Amino acid sequence: GPKVLQIPSHQIIDMGQMVTLNCDPVSNHLYFYWYKQILGQQMEFLVNFYNGKVMEKSKLFKDQFSVERPDGSYFTLKIQPTALEDSAVYFCASSPGANSDYTFGSGTRLLVI
Amino acid sequence: GDQVEQSPSALSLHEGTDSALRCNFTTTMRSVQWFRQNSRGSLISLFYLASGTKENGRLKSAFDSKERRYSTLHIRDAQLEDSGTYFCAPSSGSWQLIFGSGTQLTVMP
Repeated sequence: GPKVLQIPSHQIIDMGQMVTLNCDPVSNHLYFYWYKQILGQQMEFLVNFYNGKVMEKSKLFKDQFSVERPDGSYFTLKIQPTALEDSAVYFCASSPGANSDYTFGSGTRLLVI
Repeated sequence: GDQVEQSPSALSLHEGTDSALRCNFTTTMRSVQWFRQNSRGSLISLFYLASGTKENGRLKSAFDSKERRYSTLHIRDAQLEDSGTYFCAPSSGSWQLIFGSGTQLTVMP
C-alpha cells in the first residue's frame, strides 16, 4: 500500500545542535502529523499540520520545535537546539482527511548526546 | 494516555490458538485505529473503524457503535508473525490519535 517515507532512519547529534527530520507523506494526503515515542513508552502526539499551518500541538511540542512543508516538498520537524530529553523515535504520519485512516512512517531514531 | 486502557498488557499464545485484545475508553470516541508495532519499531495499520466491524484474514476488529467506548481486536489461528505490540488509537474528533499502552503479544510454536 501507499507509504510514508522518513529520512534519515537514524540520527545521532550533539546536544545543542539543530536537527531536521524529513518526511515524505502519502501523495494525496492533506493532513500531516508528528508523534514521539520514547523507548518502552507509548506513542504521543506532537503536532498536526494542514494547509500550511499548525492546527493543533501538544505540550510536548516545545518552543524549540518547528514544522513546515515548503512548496509540497518534505514535511519537516526541526529541533533547535536539541536537548538530551529529545532522544526518542519520531514518527511521521499522514491522512487523506481529518480524523481518517492514518499511515505512519517507520520512524527516525534520534539520539542526542 | 489515561483516556485509553488496553488489556491485557502482555499475552502469550501458542500457534493456532485464538485470542482477543480489548481497549476501553474513558470518553466517547469518534473512531479507532489498530496498529501492530514490530520488533524493528515499524507501525503497521491493521484497521480503521468509525463503527461496526471489519475483518482481514485472521484478524477482526469491532468498535462499539452505541456508546463508542470500547473496541476489540480478535486474532484467529495465531501465527508466529503475529508477534509484536498491538496498539489501539482512538480519536475523539480532534486532530490527534490517543495511543494506548499496548499489548505485547508473543506467539510460541
